Amino acid sequence: LAKTTQPISMDSYEGQEVNITCSHNNIATNDYITWYQQFPSQGPRFIIQGYKTKVTNEVASLFIPADRKSSTLSLPRVSLSDTAVYYCNRSPNTGRRALTFGSGTRLQVQP
Amino acid sequence: NAGVTQTPKFQVLKTGQSMTLQCAQDMNHEYMSWYRQDPGMGLRLIHYSVGAGITDQGEVPNGYNVSRSTTEDFPLRLLSAAPSQTSVYFCASSQGKTNEKLFFGSGTQLSVL
Repeated sequence: LAKTTQPISMDSYEGQEVNITCSHNNIATNDYITWYQQFPSQGPRFIIQGYKTKVTNEVASLFIPADRKSSTLSLPRVSLSDTAVYYCNRSPNTGRRALTFGSGTRLQVQP
Repeated sequence: NAGVTQTPKFQVLKTGQSMTLQCAQDMNHEYMSWYRQDPGMGLRLIHYSVGAGITDQGEVPNGYNVSRSTTEDFPLRLLSAAPSQTSVYFCASSQGKTNEKLFFGSGTQLSVL
């Protein structure tokens, strides 16, 4: 089952940009990369998804280099409410899809 | 729009008891899955289904059974509860097409004494 690797935790301050990197060395040709955010006592929720280069939405940006072996979630000007666990996930496109998660990155934003 | 609904929200069991965690989605999603999340840990896949009548094992399937008789429902059965199954359980669904995103339920907090 495909796994990704992320830092266990990160600390930041309000107003800073935060970049969380995910490693997915064995990514398949048709896989997309999807990021989720999880607050305490809630289920994860979708943030952003991409295949290559850069994707931006109202919440975050996602950078995926040409070799696609890693990806970086960028949160601009974080606030206290961005304190959460962030998961990077591969979305396989072939066969039976076992969508597994790594351990996630716990982001703590300080005032 | 209900999305993914899990019941119950909380449950306490005694060791050896059995129970079923319910999961229903109203988005006509083909793919459904169950995860468990232990305190301070990530999500571990228990079982998943790519459509009605089809189920498969995930990373930690032992002690759990599933079935998928309809597109909407994907119940998770604990056959004989053990303290090691104390966890928060999340159900998730997606369209089942390529590059889909998962929609999660709000979770069931289970304690086995």
